[in-house]
Amino acid sequence: AQTVTQSQPEMSVQEAETVTLSCTYDTSESDYYLFWYKQPPSRQMILVIRQEAYKQQNATENRFSVNFQKAAKSFSLKISDSQLGDAAMYFCAYRSRRGGGADGLTFGKGTHLIIQP
Amino acid sequence: DVKVTQSSRYLVKRTGEKVFLECVQDMDHENMFWYRQDPGLGLRLIYFSYDVKMKEKGDIPEGYSVSREKKERFSLILESASTNQTSMYLCASRVQGISNQPQHFGDGTRLSIL
Repeated sequence: AQTVTQSQPEMSVQEAETVTLSCTYDTSESDYYLFWYKQPPSRQMILVIRQEAYKQQNATENRFSVNFQKAAKSFSLKISDSQLGDAAMYFCAYRSRRGGGADGLTFGKGTHLIIQP
Repeated sequence: DVKVTQSSRYLVKRTGEKVFLECVQDMDHENMFWYRQDPGLGLRLIYFSYDVKMKEKGDIPEGYSVSREKKERFSLILESASTNQTSMYLCASRVQGISNQPQHFGDGTRLSIL
């Protein structure tokens, strides 16, 4: 079974600065997907960014980028120019590419990101 | 945009009651999921369905069942609610066959069992 570990229960950053959230995972598979989801106080889970394991290039979405290190099984999220609206719980998630019951996501425990004005 | 709608945002029930949590999606997605979210534990998969009347157990199915009679609707059932089922429940859906597509989530139902 796969596991996802987020070692930082809480992070704090000054507005406009850069913050990196850590995520490591354990799997014996070679092909899979990784995601970062954001959950603000409104509770809506919002997809931030995704990465296919077979792609070497790190995904980027505007101010959000990842550092995907497949050999190290690491998938960190970098948020540049932090904004007050970035304050939320952030979840790292893994999905197998095998399909069927493996289609469900395995989540980390989350990192609570605080933005200091 | 995909819309996943959970019928209740907050729900309070009593121990031993049969509880139904309803979820509807409007994008004709084949795959639907129920997760439970607890502080410090993240989200854990309860059940998953990949077609009408088809279901698979997730990581924590004990005490739960599901029903999918129509493609757009996926129900989570607590047969006899217990206090340890007090939690946030999140429904999600995803298109099948396009493997890099993410799951889309509802706003969650915060369920309290007294």
